[in-house]
Amino acid sequence: DQQVKQNSPSLSVQEGRISILNCDYTNSMFDYFLWYKKYPAEGPTFLISISSIKDKNEDGRFTVFLNKSAKHLSLHIVPSQPGDSAVYFCAAERIQGAQKLVFGQGTRLTINP
Amino acid sequence: EPEVTQTPSHQVTQMGQEVILRCVPISNHLYFYWYRQILGQKVEFLVSFYNNEISEKSEIFDDQFSVERPDGSNFTLKIRSTKLEDSAMYFCASSDRQGNQPQHFGDGTRLSIL
Repeated sequence: DQQVKQNSPSLSVQEGRISILNCDYTNSMFDYFLWYKKYPAEGPTFLISISSIKDKNEDGRFTVFLNKSAKHLSLHIVPSQPGDSAVYFCAAERIQGAQKLVFGQGTRLTINP
Repeated sequence: EPEVTQTPSHQVTQMGQEVILRCVPISNHLYFYWYRQILGQKVEFLVSFYNNEISEKSEIFDDQFSVERPDGSNFTLKIRSTKLEDSAMYFCASSDRQGNQPQHFGDGTRLSIL
């Protein structure tokens, strides 16, 4: 199932700089997109989401951008902090339905001091 | 902040045995889910549950799997006769309503089948 893809398994960013995580999807029926953060031995923690009627949603240091024509979304973290080091999952769903989340493979973000 | 809790954190079971994984969703949530993540693979949807019945299930969720909300707080996943390939992290999630609402996850149960 390759409906949601995160093509970068890992990303390393210097503290204070911007982290950009990318996600692509193939199913044009998806209309709600989420980013989750996961530490080892913990469950995914919801970070930020965006509906398909928007192209940007911002929450503090986190901004999600959605490009529907390209079927692409990205998560920007600025400034990056050491505590942001984690695995980040992109997920998508169809609002009309049973809210079945389809996840990407995850990107391991490492913030270097 | 309210959270989803799962027990046990780790379950070791002999192949062929039944196992029950337990979850306490966030108290005012109405929609409940189970996902699993096999080591090195994606998080995969198993089943969603609303109003005391299954809303949707994946092809993974075969006759060996069942879910139940036995009381007002618990949500359980039962695997009747476990197989080696059932070894995975199992995550429970809940949300408060349909549409444009994030699902909130527990910390998971690591199921190891010997």
